[in-house]
Formats: sequence, structure tokens, C-alpha cells
Amino acid sequence: TQLLEQSPQFLSIQEGENLTVYCNSSSVFSSLQWYRQEPGEGPVLLVTVVTGGEVKKLKRLTFQFGDARKDSSLHITAAQPGDTGLYLCAGGGADGLTFGKGTHLIIQP
Amino acid sequence: ETGVTQTPRHLVMGMTNKKSLKCEQHLGHNAMYWYKQSAKKPLELMFVYSLEERVENNSVPSRFSPECPNSSHLFLHLHTLQPEDSALYLCASSQDLTGSREQYFGPGTRLTVT
Repeated sequence: TQLLEQSPQFLSIQEGENLTVYCNSSSVFSSLQWYRQEPGEGPVLLVTVVTGGEVKKLKRLTFQFGDARKDSSLHITAAQPGDTGLYLCAGGGADGLTFGKGTHLIIQP
Repeated sequence: ETGVTQTPRHLVMGMTNKKSLKCEQHLGHNAMYWYKQSAKKPLELMFVYSLEERVENNSVPSRFSPECPNSSHLFLHLHTLQPEDSALYLCASSQDLTGSREQYFGPGTRLTVT
């Protein structure tokens, strides 16, 4: 069974700070996706990375796929209250997607 | 965002009731999914349909019965549920079952079993 561990589980910071959340596994994935879920809504896809070492940027969000395709990180620069939500990573493999438990992020104004 | 819609958004039912959850996708996708989201647990995949055929059933109890009449609609029929079945039920679709299977989720149905 493939498992994805996300850390930290909870993070509360002030507006304007930078942060990094992590997604780790002992398994190799063919792709890694990040989703953000706001209260009362379903997850929304932010990015997909497929190549080891790949870095993608989405405005203030930077996503990196580990060289060995076993881990990923999400870095947010100058966090804003609108970044608040549950951040989920999902690893893609032959059996479909495996989701982590998520990081609950709160950005306080 | 109206790509994937779900009804109802909230549902309270007793253990002896029968109810159905509905999902509709307007994205022209060929694969649809039911997930269960509970507190402190990862998203649990329940069922996968591709071109209206069920391709995965992850050991889900028979009190959950899916139905996919066409590639745009997906139902989850519920009967004799237990309180531990209370959760957010999410429907999702993807283009197909190849590649990275990027998921497009609906807003979910918040189910409470009393």
C-alpha cells in the first residue's frame, strides 16, 4: 500500500510570512498533484508535476517534485488570508491516485 | 465553478432510510469517482467508473450502491447506513483512466446518519 505523509498537519501563520509544506512517501509515483480545499467545497487541482526535480510556479506558490519522485514540497511566499485551506497532495501510480491526509493552513490577517 | 455538481449539499438520514446522492459532470470526461472524506483520514476512494462501467470497488460495504447511467451522471444509493458513515461524500471526474488522472471534484454532500 502506497502512503503519503503530509507535514505539518496544521499550520497557522501571519499574513505576509513564507511557508513550506511537505509530502513524503517511500514509494515512487509517476506524477504528483496538489489540491486546495476550502471549507464546504471540494478539492481544486492546483498543479501536476511528473518529472523528477521538476519545479512549477503558480503566482506565489512554488511546487517541487523530488528527484526520486517520492516526495514534493509546496512553498508559499507572502501568504495571504485567501491561501487558507486544506492542502492535499496525491500521488499517481498504476492503481490510480493516493491522497495524503492534508495540511490545514490558516493565514491570519 | 459548475464543472461537477452534486445534490443534495447536505443530508441527514436515519439508519433505516433510503436516499440517493447525485453527481453530474459537464466536462465531457469519461471517468467518474466517488470518494469518502472523514476527519483525520485521507480521502478514501470508493468506486471508479469508466465509460459507465464500474472498474474499481474498494471493499465498500453493500449498503452503498453506485449507479452510472451515462458518462455524465453518477449516483450513490444509500440504505441502512451506520453513524460511522457520516462524512463528506465527494464526486470527481477525470478525462479518462490514463495518465495522471487529474481529478475535478464536486462540492460534496455532507451526510449525517442519526
